[in-house]
Amino acid sequence: AQTVTQSQPEMSVQEAETVTLSCTYDTSESDYYLFWYKQPPSRQMILVIRQEAYKQQNATENRFSVNFQKAAKSFSLKISDSQLGDAAMYFCAYRSRTGNTPLVFGKGTRLSVIA
Amino acid sequence: GAVVSQHPSRVICKSGTSVKIECRSLDFQATTMFWYRQFPKQSLMLMATSNEGSKATYEQGVEKDKFLINHASLTLSTLTVTSAHPEDSSFYICSATAYGEGGEQYFGPGTRLTVT
Repeated sequence: AQTVTQSQPEMSVQEAETVTLSCTYDTSESDYYLFWYKQPPSRQMILVIRQEAYKQQNATENRFSVNFQKAAKSFSLKISDSQLGDAAMYFCAYRSRTGNTPLVFGKGTRLSVIA
Repeated sequence: GAVVSQHPSRVICKSGTSVKIECRSLDFQATTMFWYRQFPKQSLMLMATSNEGSKATYEQGVEKDKFLINHASLTLSTLTVTSAHPEDSSFYICSATAYGEGGEQYFGPGTRLTVT
């Protein structure tokens, strides 16, 4: 079974600075998806960024980018120019590419942004 | 992006009663829907997977007779908490996916259930 580990329960960053959230995963599959989801106080899950395992190029979405290291099974999220609205719970998630399988979530990292 | 709605957003019920939560995919056909439960400050815990027209697959430790899931159409899945007890109070989230849609799951806004 696949597992996702987020080793940082809490992180903080100064406004306008850069922060990196860590995520590692374990799988025996070679093709899969990786995601970062944001959950603000409203508790609505919001997709931040997606990475397909067969793509070597790291995904980017505006101020959000990932460092995907397939061999090391690492998938970190970098948030640049942090904004107050980035404060939220961030979940790393894995999904098999085979069939309609559920997401496997990490325990989450709570990010605080300091003005 | 695809939209998933959940109704109600909040519900308070008395112990022993049943409550139904609806999850709808508004602009796409959801071949599979997932139900999660989330306790405060914790991650999402998968309860069950439902495919349209077939019985739901429950995760280990989830009582299928207590949490009834029906996925009668490609746009609607329901979760019924039967004979609710205070320990069933939680935040319930559904997500939906369409086969071949790049792996993404689309989440509903969640339902906060309080059992008194």
